Amino acid sequence: NAGVTQTPKFRVLKTGQSMTLLCAQDMNHEYMYWYRQDPGMGLRLIHYSVGEGTTAKGEVPDGYNVSRLKKQNFLLGLESAAPSQTSVYFCASKRASTGELFFGEGSRLTVL
Amino acid sequence: AQKVTQAQTEISVVEKEDVTLDCVYETRDTTYYLFWYKQPPSGELVFLIRRNSFDEQNEISGRYSWNFQKSTSSFNFTITASQVVDSAVYFCALSEATSGGSYIPTFGRGTSLIVHP
Repeated sequence: NAGVTQTPKFRVLKTGQSMTLLCAQDMNHEYMYWYRQDPGMGLRLIHYSVGEGTTAKGEVPDGYNVSRLKKQNFLLGLESAAPSQTSVYFCASKRASTGELFFGEGSRLTVL
Repeated sequence: AQKVTQAQTEISVVEKEDVTLDCVYETRDTTYYLFWYKQPPSGELVFLIRRNSFDEQNEISGRYSWNFQKSTSSFNFTITASQVVDSAVYFCALSEATSGGSYIPTFGRGTSLIVHP
């Protein structure tokens, strides 16, 4: 029972580098989300997807891009990383019948 | 303005004390959903409960209970006889419909609960 899997778990980047975070879910959920968690700020929504091939902006989308080419995968990209993007990133998928979110274990990203 | 306000940043109690975590939300929708999630020190986020806006019945699950009051836009969470294992950050969340009809969860900033032995 994998649920929601995020890779990588940890990454250190230099300013200006690019990277992609991968989120995979095996529950056939339509809705998927990317949040970032910063101290004292709770979870803030970056982008979300309501189904394969669709994405939408959340509360803090600047500096990020996403893609949902396959239903089970939701990718979060940083084209030119900045120190302000140092954070813990959580992916989640939603069970439509209950609204419950299933979260990945988080990806800790440090941008130097 | 925050849609979900958790005014208590950190609460510290001694084991066996009762503790209430406050959550106040703001919405103009008549249909919405409220949630509580727990984030223990290990970092994962765990679903605790969901309430829809039409169901104001209080819920009890073991030592946990939730008090939903639409009149005060609050959805408070009480832990009875707290235990060290309850130490975690607790998040309240509100799900409202977007213009496209999707329900998107918005989280509060969390309350860190520390239970001392």
